[in-house]
Amino acid sequence: GAGVSQTPSNKVTEKGKYVELRCDPISGHTALYWYRQSLGQGPEFLIYFQGTGAADDSGLPNDRFFAVRPEGSVSTLKIQRTERGDSAVYLCASSLNPGQANEQFFGPGTRLTVL
Amino acid sequence: KQEVTQIPAALSVPEGENLVLNCSFTDSAIYNLQWFRQDPGKGLTSLLLIQSSQREQTSGRLNASLDKSSGRSTLYIAASQPGDSATYLCAVRQSNDMRFGAGTRLTVKP
Repeated sequence: GAGVSQTPSNKVTEKGKYVELRCDPISGHTALYWYRQSLGQGPEFLIYFQGTGAADDSGLPNDRFFAVRPEGSVSTLKIQRTERGDSAVYLCASSLNPGQANEQFFGPGTRLTVL
Repeated sequence: KQEVTQIPAALSVPEGENLVLNCSFTDSAIYNLQWFRQDPGKGLTSLLLIQSSQREQTSGRLNASLDKSSGRSTLYIAASQPGDSATYLCAVRQSNDMRFGAGTRLTVKP
């Protein structure tokens, strides 16, 4: 594919609702990462997938956040019982393989606003 | 825990000026360091990636250096243009994730 894509680009929801954010990585990239960027801050790591499995979910803030990648390509970040503090830009990145020296390529992000 | 700091937080320069953005990190055991550009409301565009064994990388008017032992990197932009206006982020790779600084917001005035 041309690059990492994310949908929707913007999502507005009400406090307490459930949301799903989608990431399509670059074709053939086995590693996939989710980050969250609050206003005026750099992105913060949430979770990393190698293939279908979550190899590192240490950045997920609490159990309301969950992510899946069932076929080792597309990933969905799921947030339950959204709170106003969840408002941020959610960024997805992929890399060809999980080696630490490999470059991560970022998508345009999904801007989530919780009212 | 790795901490990444970028100075200054904001910078405004006239067009044509050469400038330097600074990035420092607390743990020198990194795999690589990457500089990104972010335009308002947009994702991250990779500018330069420096592996831990390298000292610098160049792309066009951009030059990034890495001094791993002192925990510092600089991004040098030559002959700045209004189109360079954006937020510049540095990030270090230590394990599975990347640790980012808060960025430097650059404005180049015509």
